Amino acid sequence: GQNIDQPTEMTATEGAIVQINCTYQTSGFNGLFWYQQHAGEAPTFLSYNVLDGLEEKGRFSSFLSRSKGYSYLLLKELQMKDSASYLCAVRDRGAAGNKLTFGGGTRVLVKP
Amino acid sequence: DAMVIQNPRYQVTQFGKPVTLSCSQTLNHNVMYWYQQKSSQAPKLLFHYYDKDFNNEADTPDNFQSRRPNTSFCFLDIRSPGLGDAAMYLCATSSSVPSYEQYFGPGTRLTVT
Repeated sequence: GQNIDQPTEMTATEGAIVQINCTYQTSGFNGLFWYQQHAGEAPTFLSYNVLDGLEEKGRFSSFLSRSKGYSYLLLKELQMKDSASYLCAVRDRGAAGNKLTFGGGTRVLVKP
Repeated sequence: DAMVIQNPRYQVTQFGKPVTLSCSQTLNHNVMYWYQQKSSQAPKLLFHYYDKDFNNEADTPDNFQSRRPNTSFCFLDIRSPGLGDAAMYLCATSSSVPSYEQYFGPGTRLTVT
């Protein structure tokens, strides 16, 4: 089975940086995804890490350490539209069909 | 252009009255998923199809069934909805290649009265 932990909620100021941590335990790691989900909408893909290190994509970066079972999503130059839930999801090596297990999500509130 | 389409976006049904939610995709992906998401919770996988092969999660209630008549369409049938089944139901698709992400539809919000 899998166990994925991330903080429930974070608050930050417009223009600032926020780091959302995710720790996981899995029997056979085969990739970690970050999704953004605005209230009442579907999750949208942000990033994918399968090797250790940092993946940068514009204002968003994602880091992975497989030995520590740890990832973070870094949001820079925060904008009001970044207020959303951020879901960490892990794929297990034994999972058929790219099956993902999601964490509970971190709700980020950006204040002016 | 929408790639994963779910109809209807909002569905109201009565306690115990069967309901069907539909999902279609234009991505020609061979894997399709159904998730249940309750307020402020993570999406919970109910089942998925890998081509025509149906894969049910161990804790998915028997009340939930699915059909995939062809590559493009997948249906979620709730045989006897209870109040606890009120949730957002998300359909997603992916290629079978491991690095591919899942593409989600906009969801159907189900209300049970």
